[in-house]
Amino acid sequence: DIQMTQSPSSLSASVGDRVTIICQASQDISNYLNWYQQKPGKAPKLLIYDASNLETGVPSRFSGSGSGTDFTFTISSLQPEDIATYYCQQYDNLPRTFGQGTKVEIK
Amino acid sequence: EVQLLESGGGLVQPGGSLRLSCAASGFTFSSYAMSWVRQAPGKGLEWVSVISGSGGSTYYVDSVKGRFTISRDNSKNTLYLQMNSLRAEDTAVYYCAKDLTQWLVQNYMDVWGKGTTVTVSS
Repeated sequence: DIQMTQSPSSLSASVGDRVTIICQASQDISNYLNWYQQKPGKAPKLLIYDASNLETGVPSRFSGSGSGTDFTFTISSLQPEDIATYYCQQYDNLPRTFGQGTKVEIK
Repeated sequence: EVQLLESGGGLVQPGGSLRLSCAASGFTFSSYAMSWVRQAPGKGLEWVSVISGSGGSTYYVDSVKGRFTISRDNSKNTLYLQMNSLRAEDTAVYYCAKDLTQWLVQNYMDVWGKGTTVTVSS
């Protein structure tokens, strides 16, 4: 199985800050990587697909980059409504696997 | 609008069985693979299983192989997860999700239901 290592596990930042989350795959997954946002008590929501494509309706402050084994997720200007846990997930191979999540809080 | 509504969760004893359902609407159900993903209390997401649009192909994560069976009824626009020999570690919120295409591989979940809670405890 492909292991997804996500860091940090949590972070605290101020409104307006730039936030970056890293995800590393245990083998080359090309660009078969998604980023999901999960707010407390809610279902996950797809934000970024194919590593760098913004899902329809998702604010442009969210972005993703990378290919192969190393990926980055960025919130360019953190907003209060962005408080959530963010997960990377690979879909190159079955089983699909998730990173362990990054909990984003407001400082 | 795509909608997915899970049902069938509840409290079950270890070793027991439960069948989850997911009623789908707003899209051509048979044209898309469907997945189940679970989340144990306070933990991260774990992908569980996928079934192709036709129902002819399935795949499971190792931890549920031989105990869980995914199926679908395209005439009823409904996805199922039959869970047998349940263990305490199967306690989780179970989400059904629509996949982007009808295939199993290099495919991902783009729309999720709200989830149904399964608790395995004596």
